[in-house]
Amino acid sequence: AQTVTQSQPEMSVQEAETVTLSCTYDTSESDYYLFWYKQPPSRQMILVIRQEAYKQQNATENRFSVNFQKAAKSFSLKISDSQLGDAAMYFCATQGGSEKLVFGKGTKLTVNP
Amino acid sequence: SAVISQKPSRDICQRGTSLTIQCQVDSQVTMMFWYRQQPGQSLTLIATANQGSEATYESGFVIDKFPISRPNLTFSTLTVSNMSPEDSSIYLCSVELRGGKFSGANVLTFGAGSRLTVL
Repeated sequence: AQTVTQSQPEMSVQEAETVTLSCTYDTSESDYYLFWYKQPPSRQMILVIRQEAYKQQNATENRFSVNFQKAAKSFSLKISDSQLGDAAMYFCATQGGSEKLVFGKGTKLTVNP
Repeated sequence: SAVISQKPSRDICQRGTSLTIQCQVDSQVTMMFWYRQQPGQSLTLIATANQGSEATYESGFVIDKFPISRPNLTFSTLTVSNMSPEDSSIYLCSVELRGGKFSGANVLTFGAGSRLTVL
């Protein structure tokens, strides 16, 4: 079975600053993927970043990067130079083998001007 | 990448009634997924809909309560039957994303969701 834990129900950041969202997971699969999804108030879920577990290099997408610590089963998301449009719910998720995609409970990010 | 259209975007329903949610994709896809997002909660997979076969339901979800149709490779419906206030949720349709920087299996793109409120 797979589980995903996001320990921060809410976070806030000042515009232009950096924020890190935490995520820990558990899986029995040896080959799996990790994801961060963003859900703005309009509710359209958007994939922000994806990490293959077999890759040691942390994934990066523009201002978004991850800190993937495989041994610790940690997968945090760092947002640099935060913008007002980054305000959303962020969901961490994992999927491996024949298992279904499993989501965490989400972190609500507020960006203060 | 696929564009997913869902309707209705929101609705207020009376207890005991049923509502059908439609999901239209702008390209042919093998599998379509229906998720439920209860207030303040994460996404929970209801079922996987394959064209030409019965939907596969996850534990805790049954066909009588959530019948699904998948008449072709671009369309699916989810019906929430005999609704109660506990069914008040956002229901999301999703498909696997193909192409682009996130190409590959198990990368889902979602519709905007249908917010149901049951009184």
